Amino acid sequence: DTGVSQNPRHKITKRGQNVTFRCDPISEHNRLYWYRQTLGQGPEFLTYFQNEAQLEKSRLLSDRFSAERPKGSFSTLEIQRTEQGDSAMYLCASSRTGGTEAFFGQGTRLTVV
Amino acid sequence: QQPVQSPQAVILREGEDAVINCSSSKALYSVHWYRQKHGEAPVFLMILLKGGEQKGHEKISASFNEKKQQSSLYLTASQLSYSGTYFCGTEIVTGNTPLVFGKGTRLSVIA
Repeated sequence: DTGVSQNPRHKITKRGQNVTFRCDPISEHNRLYWYRQTLGQGPEFLTYFQNEAQLEKSRLLSDRFSAERPKGSFSTLEIQRTEQGDSAMYLCASSRTGGTEAFFGQGTRLTVV
Repeated sequence: QQPVQSPQAVILREGEDAVINCSSSKALYSVHWYRQKHGEAPVFLMILLKGGEQKGHEKISASFNEKKQQSSLYLTASQLSYSGTYFCGTEIVTGNTPLVFGKGTRLSVIA
């Protein structure tokens, strides 16, 4: 059990560029969450998967954000046409299923310049 | 469905006790508690399930009042290492729902 792994750890991009982040959950975990966190705030829910099925996407999430979890293993989060307001820490967490402890990765810090 | 935490911040001296509250307007299935230190990822502390018992280890424990949809985290005889931001996360009862977090309670323990 190597924990939840996220790559890259840091990403600096120019406004308007597309970025993609990857999350590798704990191997036996079926549920995978994506969150966004800005300074002084709690993790803001973005979307989550049960195996390969995307069960819910936050209504606050614009169409520029998309996530996939092919084959129910790793997941990717893509942000198209990045804006300065997208600058944040993007956290991934996984759990066996609902009602069980979720563990976070170290996050990807995105800076849009 | 975001849970509401209180207080927003608290300062304690070593050895003092603190209570952090988490409440929801929806019927809850589970409450999760995490601690996050600056620059680090949130770390899991404990989970309380509907119909379950109060949880605790060492000097940190939590309760879940199903009637009021509230949970409380109790920190007793606080240590410097308890400093950080505490988040509660909740899952509501109806079907598959995501784990949603409150805005956090910043706890500072001073010598």
